[in-house]
Amino acid sequence: DQQVKQNSPSLSVQEGRISILNCDYTNSMFDYFLWYKKYPAEGPTFLISISSIKDKNEDGRFTVFLNKSAKHLSLHIVPSQPGDSAVYFCAASAQRGSTLGRLYFGRGTQLTVWP
Amino acid sequence: GAVVSQHPSRVICKSGTSVKIECRSLDFQATTMFWYRQFPKQSLMLMATSNEGSKATYEQGVEKDKFLINHASLTLSTLTVTSAHPEDSSFYICSARSKNNQPQHFGDGTRLSIL
Repeated sequence: DQQVKQNSPSLSVQEGRISILNCDYTNSMFDYFLWYKKYPAEGPTFLISISSIKDKNEDGRFTVFLNKSAKHLSLHIVPSQPGDSAVYFCAASAQRGSTLGRLYFGRGTQLTVWP
Repeated sequence: GAVVSQHPSRVICKSGTSVKIECRSLDFQATTMFWYRQFPKQSLMLMATSNEGSKATYEQGVEKDKFLINHASLTLSTLTVTSAHPEDSSFYICSARSKNNQPQHFGDGTRLSIL
């Protein structure tokens, strides 16, 4: 049962434009959300996170938005750069309960930024 | 900061061999380490969670006698794939976390190929 879903397996964006990656979740216990970036043959690299007490978190070119009522979050990258081309994983966890801290991952979205 | 080193990056060996993979947190103390497995075009699947000094907690369907985990110190966890067979061929990734409300940081993964 996929509790975290990334419905777009790929996204192609022109350099300088905004990239928007989407993620949906089903478990209402999730209260901490993260985005990771992964290059081939490397482990995921942590990008940005957001707690459920917020609806927005910004770090440089990266902004994550959380809509708890819709159980939806998105990662905005602006402006997009060719070096941003990678697979982006959305992850969620519950900070309370029996699955404390365990991360549930989506299947990833391959972002390609072209010049 | 928050560097996790995983070694080796690639292993090719014969069926029946046992393979040990190391995961080290280089600049922080990891109270919890996680072991994941990733199949092509799939999300990261959690295999087990290990806390320093205690037995690992395995996910449903993961054989603990097959995948031995030792978390001997706050900076080192090892995964041993015992008597590996071709179906164990996969990409194995570890992650480490200092506290429950901190993001997991990942190693670069180990590509295991069993002939």
